[in-house]
Amino acid sequence: GDSVTQMEGPVTLSEEAFLTINCTYTATGYPSLFWYVQYPGEGLQLLLKATKADDKGSNKGFEATYRKETTSFHLEKGSVQVSDSAVYFCALPTQGGSEKLVFGKGTKLTVNP
Amino acid sequence: DVKVTQSSRYLVKRTGEKVFLECVQDMDHENMFWYRQDPGLGLRLIYFSYDVKMKEKGDIPEGYSVSREKKERFSLILESASTNQTSMYLCASSAGLAGARTDTQYFGPGTRLTVL
Repeated sequence: GDSVTQMEGPVTLSEEAFLTINCTYTATGYPSLFWYVQYPGEGLQLLLKATKADDKGSNKGFEATYRKETTSFHLEKGSVQVSDSAVYFCALPTQGGSEKLVFGKGTKLTVNP
Repeated sequence: DVKVTQSSRYLVKRTGEKVFLECVQDMDHENMFWYRQDPGLGLRLIYFSYDVKMKEKGDIPEGYSVSREKKERFSLILESASTNQTSMYLCASSAGLAGARTDTQYFGPGTRLTVL
């Protein structure tokens, strides 16, 4: 079935550093791809998504590009802030246009002042 | 804004008790989900409901059941709680529009359940 492999953490950065969290996927066809974020003590919320190949999703300074050649959807941010400290999850539908998502195991990011 | 609420943030129960976790969404969404979140394992789907009274097993349904009598409410039931069900439980909903690509899921804040 469709699956996602996400870079394991934890990741610790200083404020204003560059962030990359790797995500690669295995899928049939070209499903939508998602990044969710979980701030401390909260549920997950959508950070960004891309619905077709070569799309770039962006939000709050984060970006990810849907690359079918490398089956990747890496999350990047040019300058992280302390408030970006959270757990980040890559996700895709379990198959095709399914409503069910399969999530990566999550990458915990800590940003120090 | 979509709001998904869960009945408790923290819950402590004893082994063998019947446990009900309630989830309510206010956006008339078709789909609702129950996940559990464990360190090192990420999120795993327990059950999924795509309509009132309709349900589908997820990846780890054993030891759980669900109920969806009204569109806005989705309950997770632990028939006889066990210590290995100690976990964070997350509820989510999505619109489920016909013909649409996979929709964004909206999550509640989670219930941290401890079974002693």
